[in-house]
Amino acid sequence: NAGVTQTPKFQVLKTGQSMTLQCAQDMNHEYMSWYRQDPGMGLRLIHYSVGAGITDQGEVPNGYNVSRSTTEDFPLRLLSAAPSQTSVYFCASSYFAGTEDGYTFGSGTRLTVV
Amino acid sequence: KQEVTQIPAALSVPEGENLVLNCSFTDSAIYNLQWFRQDPGKGLTSLLLIQSSQREQTSGRLNASLDKSSGRSTLYIAASQPGDSATYLCASYYGQNFVFGPGTRLSVLP
Repeated sequence: NAGVTQTPKFQVLKTGQSMTLQCAQDMNHEYMSWYRQDPGMGLRLIHYSVGAGITDQGEVPNGYNVSRSTTEDFPLRLLSAAPSQTSVYFCASSYFAGTEDGYTFGSGTRLTVV
Repeated sequence: KQEVTQIPAALSVPEGENLVLNCSFTDSAIYNLQWFRQDPGKGLTSLLLIQSSQREQTSGRLNASLDKSSGRSTLYIAASQPGDSATYLCASYYGQNFVFGPGTRLSVLP
């Protein structure tokens, strides 16, 4: 099925560990983004990309790293996990920034840092 | 900086009622506004998207309106059903990205 695929769905990390959250889409979307969702705070933008080789910071980029080597993939790296990064992470994509078609979201990755 | 708020934070209604969810944004320079539904433990499902040049969009029992000048959008749900129970989020497209509200948690009681 076409869409946005996120892996893993659940992950528990120890403080200081690093890991990569995967996001892939097969809709040939140029725009991809990462959000985190915390109770009572809505979704906050971490990083985004308007095309392969182009990335930029969002509202809460500290502690996260991204790269966009292909149109399909947009991995999010946690460099040294902290308990404050416990959250649900969503990847979203669209044809291009500001598209009239809106966003398509992945099903999320629930991360717990202990 | 764009800020998006949603009222009420939570709502519980009996089945069959018509209801309105409210979304407000501080900067009217938006490209579009999108309403999403989120079920517990799940991702976001797009419901309706209103372009800045439009006043409203309809899909089945859902109707969303947009008033840019007042910085408001409303989502109207007709004849609510228990299956409508979920969190509803609005997001305004501002700059290069969507800015999300915190959501309204809706419970429709049978």
